[in-house]
Amino acid sequence: GAGVSQSPSNKVTEKGKDVELRCDPISGHTALYWYRQSLGQGLEFLIYFQGNSAPDKSGLPSDRFSAERTGGSVSTLTIQRTQQEDSAVYLCASSLRINHQETQYFGPGTRLLVL
Amino acid sequence: AQSVTQLGSHVSVSEGALVLLRCNYSSSVPPYLFWYVQYPNQGLQLLLKYTSAATLVKGINGFEAEFKKSETSFHLTKPSAHMSDAAEYFCAVSDQGGYKLSFGAGTTVTVRA
Repeated sequence: GAGVSQSPSNKVTEKGKDVELRCDPISGHTALYWYRQSLGQGLEFLIYFQGNSAPDKSGLPSDRFSAERTGGSVSTLTIQRTQQEDSAVYLCASSLRINHQETQYFGPGTRLLVL
Repeated sequence: AQSVTQLGSHVSVSEGALVLLRCNYSSSVPPYLFWYVQYPNQGLQLLLKYTSAATLVKGINGFEAEFKKSETSFHLTKPSAHMSDAAEYFCAVSDQGGYKLSFGAGTTVTVRA
């Protein structure tokens, strides 16, 4: 299992609750990305981390969304006060480095359902 | 901003027939283009990518794509469809900074026996 792993695979929560989604990138990959896949919006970029540089948070839809990456490896995406429109599949990807040509390797995703 | 448009949200082909999935890009600079496949309840898997080395790019599972600058296209083809090709396919372009991927809306392929 050398691929990107994500947990949990499925999450059901009630509106207003906070959720944390975890991503374990491929070992040695310095870049990590979060995307969201939803019926209405398709696949959209949320945030990326590259080494020790400040993350690019330009894709986060609201201030209820935040992410951190500890020790340059594992990342956690947190959604506070979840809303029904947050229901989606959250995909994590990693790449060896930040580069036009680098392949981003995706995890299986976390399916979030907000009731 | 760079973007891609996939023509046709759903394509149905017979087993053994040609698979053709259309993707057009919009970019003011030479683009880097990717095709990903997503099987049900799985993440995205890279099929192939264009990085300016060659205009005809061969990928996994018998797929290939041709970059045509004059047509701003990067269509994906496979000569003979197999039942296992049933999936959703996404065309994507990386932005000028080299990290964000902008995806098309996706094309779902069904294969008829």
